Amino acid sequence: NAGVTQTPKFQVLKTGQSMTLQCAQDMNHEYMSWYRQDPGMGLRLIHYSVGAGITDQGEVPNGYNVSRSTTEDFPLRLLSAAPSQTSVYFCASSYTPDFWETIYFGEGSWLTVV
Amino acid sequence: AQTVTQSQPEMSVQEAETVTLSCTYDTSESDYYLFWYKQPPSRQMILVIRQEAYKQQNATENRFSVNFQKAAKSFSLKISDSQLGDAAMYFCASGNTPLVFGKGTRLSVIA
Repeated sequence: NAGVTQTPKFQVLKTGQSMTLQCAQDMNHEYMSWYRQDPGMGLRLIHYSVGAGITDQGEVPNGYNVSRSTTEDFPLRLLSAAPSQTSVYFCASSYTPDFWETIYFGEGSWLTVV
Repeated sequence: AQTVTQSQPEMSVQEAETVTLSCTYDTSESDYYLFWYKQPPSRQMILVIRQEAYKQQNATENRFSVNFQKAAKSFSLKISDSQLGDAAMYFCASGNTPLVFGKGTRLSVIA
């Protein structure tokens, strides 16, 4: 059982480039989400999804797009990378969106925008 | 909007001693969960302990326990018999959809 898998683990982008961070889970989880972690800021929610075809914005959605065409995958797209998007990105999932569910995290993706 | 506040950016503890990390939260929900996550240098997020808000009994997991004061909206983490492997960032989180995190407390363990 792979759990939550994020790729790539490390990426360096130039300002203005676009890229997609991949997230996949093999646990048939309905709920998936993306967080970013910046020094001194904890984890902040970017976007989340409560099921295939359904997405919503979190606290810091600007500059990012998501889609949820399948239950397993929840890619995060950076449209035009900016240095302010240098961060560690975490994908997380749970079986349902209910608040008592255990949330599983991926191992993180380190993104540097130069 | 939910908020989670961790007022101690850094803490240190002597090996084998006890340390308490503070967390306060604000929510309008009547039922919710609270979590403590540990993040070692590898950046992996590890669930340490969770508390169901409607349960008055404080959760305990081995050397980790919480002091949950619902009226005060306080949720502190006590680590007993601290070990070198406990050194990490610790995040408090409020368990509603979506999960809201505090800014973290960096715990150092001194040998």
